[in-house]
Amino acid sequence: AQKVTQAQTEISVVEKEDVTLDCVYETRDTTYYLFWYKQPPSGELVFLIRRNSFDEQNEISGRYSWNFQKSTSSFNFTITASQVVDSAVYFCALSESKDYKLSFGAGTTVTVRA
Amino acid sequence: EAQVTQNPRYLITVTGKKLTVTCSQNMNHEYMSWYRQDPGLGLRQIYYSMNVEVTDKGDVPEGYKVSRKEKRNFPLILESPSPNQTSLYFCASGRKTSGGQETQYFGPGTRLLVL
Repeated sequence: AQKVTQAQTEISVVEKEDVTLDCVYETRDTTYYLFWYKQPPSGELVFLIRRNSFDEQNEISGRYSWNFQKSTSSFNFTITASQVVDSAVYFCALSESKDYKLSFGAGTTVTVRA
Repeated sequence: EAQVTQNPRYLITVTGKKLTVTCSQNMNHEYMSWYRQDPGLGLRQIYYSMNVEVTDKGDVPEGYKVSRKEKRNFPLILESPSPNQTSLYFCASGRKTSGGQETQYFGPGTRLLVL
């Protein structure tokens, strides 16, 4: 069975600090997909990134970066120079090749203080 | 604008009164699904559909029905709502390709309160 663990329940930082969110996953599939979604206080789920299991290249998008390491089954997310607008719940999710179901982690609540 | 829409966004109802939450996407996606989000339980899949007239149960299907008569629409039906169905509901859609999964996009959510 697939499983996603986000060990950090809450993280609080001061604006401009960097914050890294951990995500560890379990799957027996060799082909799978990893996602990060952001849920701001307004409640919607905003897609941030998708990675397939064959692409271990790290990615940077503005202040966001992702580190995918198959050897440790981790897909960590870093926000550089955090801003108050980054305050949200962030979810890591896994989907296996055989179906499209997203298995979500419990989420990490990030609070950025001015 | 590519999007997934849900209606209503907020709904208060009473136990036993049938209701439907609509979901529509304009991206011609084959795959659509419903999730519910509850404190402490996270997001769980209710039903999904791989294409028109093809639906299947997710992890928590009890008390729900769905239909997929058209590609763009995937309504969630609660025939006899109960208080334990009070939740935040999300519809999602994604493209089905031979090259692998693409991104799934979520609707804005529907907050349901069953009294």
